[in-house]
Amino acid sequence: DIQMTQSPSSLSASVGDRVTITCRASQNINGFVNWYQQKPGKAPELLIYSASALQSGVPSRFRGIGSGTEFTLTITSLQPEDFATYYCQQSFSTLFTFGPGTKVDMK
Amino acid sequence: QVHLQESGPGLVKPSQTLSLTCTVSGGSIRSGNYYWSWIRQPAGKGLEWIGRIFLTGSTLYNPSLKSRVNISLDTSKNQIYLKMTSLTAADTAVYYCARDREQVFLDSWGQGALVTVSS
Repeated sequence: DIQMTQSPSSLSASVGDRVTITCRASQNINGFVNWYQQKPGKAPELLIYSASALQSGVPSRFRGIGSGTEFTLTITSLQPEDFATYYCQQSFSTLFTFGPGTKVDMK
Repeated sequence: QVHLQESGPGLVKPSQTLSLTCTVSGGSIRSGNYYWSWIRQPAGKGLEWIGRIFLTGSTLYNPSLKSRVNISLDTSKNQIYLKMTSLTAADTAVYYCARDREQVFLDSWGQGALVTVSS
């Protein structure tokens, strides 16, 4: 299995802050990483696919970059609706695996 | 826009079999190059991919669950099914179905169905 790790596991931030989350894969997965946002009691929603492509309808303040084993999700200016948990997921292998999540809460 | 809705029993006894249904509306599961995945999430924990099915009936399962899981579909009903046998408390989770774009990403999710395994 390809293992995915995320850092930090949680962070506190304020509206307007720039937030960066890192995801690392246990092997080279090229650009096969997706990012999801999950709010309490809700299903995850796709934000970014293939490392850097913005899903339709997702605000441009969400940016993804990376290749190989290290990937980042950046929120350029945190908005109130962005407080949530973020997961990365690899699709290099057809056996999907997810990172453990990063919870972004209010400072 | 496609909509997915999971349904099934909220409570299942240990050692019994879980059966969940994912009903798709707003689009046919026969159209497009879509797969259909199941994912679960224990309370307060992360996401675990269970497996997927293609409209041909071809399936792929998480090796850790493969011996207990079966995914099937009925194109006439636009439904996807999950069966999981020999349940234990560790299977207590919210179970999601999702549209799987060419085994690359999950772009539409159901709201989830909470399944509790308890006697």
